[in-house]
Amino acid sequence: SQTIHQWPATLVQPVGSPLSLECTVEGTSNPNLYWYRQAAGRGLQLLFYSVGIGQISSEVPQNLSASRPQDRQFILSSKKLLLSDSGFYLCAWTPGQGARGYNEQFFGPGTRLTVL
Amino acid sequence: QKEVEQNSGPLSVPEGAIASLNCTYSDRGSQSFFWYRQYSGKSPELIMFIYSNGDKEDGRFTAQLNKASQYVSLLIRDSQPSDSATYLCAVIISGGYNKLIFGAGTRLAVHP
Repeated sequence: SQTIHQWPATLVQPVGSPLSLECTVEGTSNPNLYWYRQAAGRGLQLLFYSVGIGQISSEVPQNLSASRPQDRQFILSSKKLLLSDSGFYLCAWTPGQGARGYNEQFFGPGTRLTVL
Repeated sequence: QKEVEQNSGPLSVPEGAIASLNCTYSDRGSQSFFWYRQYSGKSPELIMFIYSNGDKEDGRFTAQLNKASQYVSLLIRDSQPSDSATYLCAVIISGGYNKLIFGAGTRLAVHP
């Protein structure tokens, strides 16, 4: 069966510090991977998605970046955090195999980031 | 801008009643629709998906889709206090790569 991991679970960082959040998926190959952010009391905002190694698409302009160095690894980074970067960061996956539109997304446990 | 709209609630229902959650979407090309449940402080959990017009039942949950009206709903029968959570409606937008657009969610409170 497939599982998705995220770490760390919680993180408190000062403004201006760097960030690295990691997501890994087990039990599948060539998944589509997604990063979302959920601000307190708000819906989910898609930040990045990836359909393969080294292939990253950005949905919103911001000071965050994403990378996919391995097939089942997705990393979210920032060089300098802002207060507005606080939120609940969620990684999700679906089976790959091209642009089929009928696959469910499954979420990891999330990372709660507080920027002070 | 493709959007998904939900009533934020809270929707309060007594235990044992039917809870009805509604969602509208703007992208006429959307083909896939999902309901997620999110408990406070936790990640969303997929509970239902529907692709065809009509009803789809799974246990106490029924999803209803009307593409002509761009409307999708979730019914929860015999509501339990453990159903108290925020329910997120999500739609795969046309254009590929399974990109989901989420509504802001409806908070459901089931009281004994």
